Amino acid sequence: DTGVSQDPRHKITKRGQNVTFRCDPISEHNRLYWYRQTLGQGPEFLTYFQNEAQLEKSRLLSDRFSAERPKGSFSTLEIQRTEQGDSAMYLCASSLPAVNTEAFFGQGTRLTVV
Amino acid sequence: AQRVTQPEKLLSVFKGAPVELKCNYSYSGSPELFWYVQYSRQRLQLLLRHISRESIKGFTADLNKGETSFHLKKPFAQEEDSAMYYCVTGFQKLVFGTGTRLLVSP
Repeated sequence: DTGVSQDPRHKITKRGQNVTFRCDPISEHNRLYWYRQTLGQGPEFLTYFQNEAQLEKSRLLSDRFSAERPKGSFSTLEIQRTEQGDSAMYLCASSLPAVNTEAFFGQGTRLTVV
Repeated sequence: AQRVTQPEKLLSVFKGAPVELKCNYSYSGSPELFWYVQYSRQRLQLLLRHISRESIKGFTADLNKGETSFHLKKPFAQEEDSAMYYCVTGFQKLVFGTGTRLLVSP
């Protein structure tokens, strides 16, 4: 499968623990996005990178959240001191930088905070 | 801010019936608009984009700037069209609507 891959697919953690998710984009894509999706809602934008530069962060991304893309390839999203409200599906997508270009999504990481 | 509104959470039709999934956008200037679809147990994928004026799987979507709408239409629904459909806008980043679940019954 040469599409966007995310790891892990599922994560159950206790409240207060830190978690880290990984996203491997399609190799020639230099844009990478993170979204969060809760039940009954569409995906909500969290942040995006162009190469290794983080160009925009949503206000949804509190200081407990941090995302990196150190070499402009894979990206990690870390949540510190998880809360029950962080339970959601975390989606990663990648694309070329052109306007109107298609974003390719991974299958997501489902986080459950107990 | 760019925003799209999908007023229907669920649209249920019979096979062969026409389908229209509504989407209204709020954006000044020329909007970038897409429809993304998520079939059961599959990842989100692009269905079509307004700039291409294409028909994909029998679906079309016309941009109506006067009504600020980008409704998705198909004249004859098929069971395999059952899925979650998202109207999406965005330039640098994609902004999703809340989605409409289409259920096509035999």
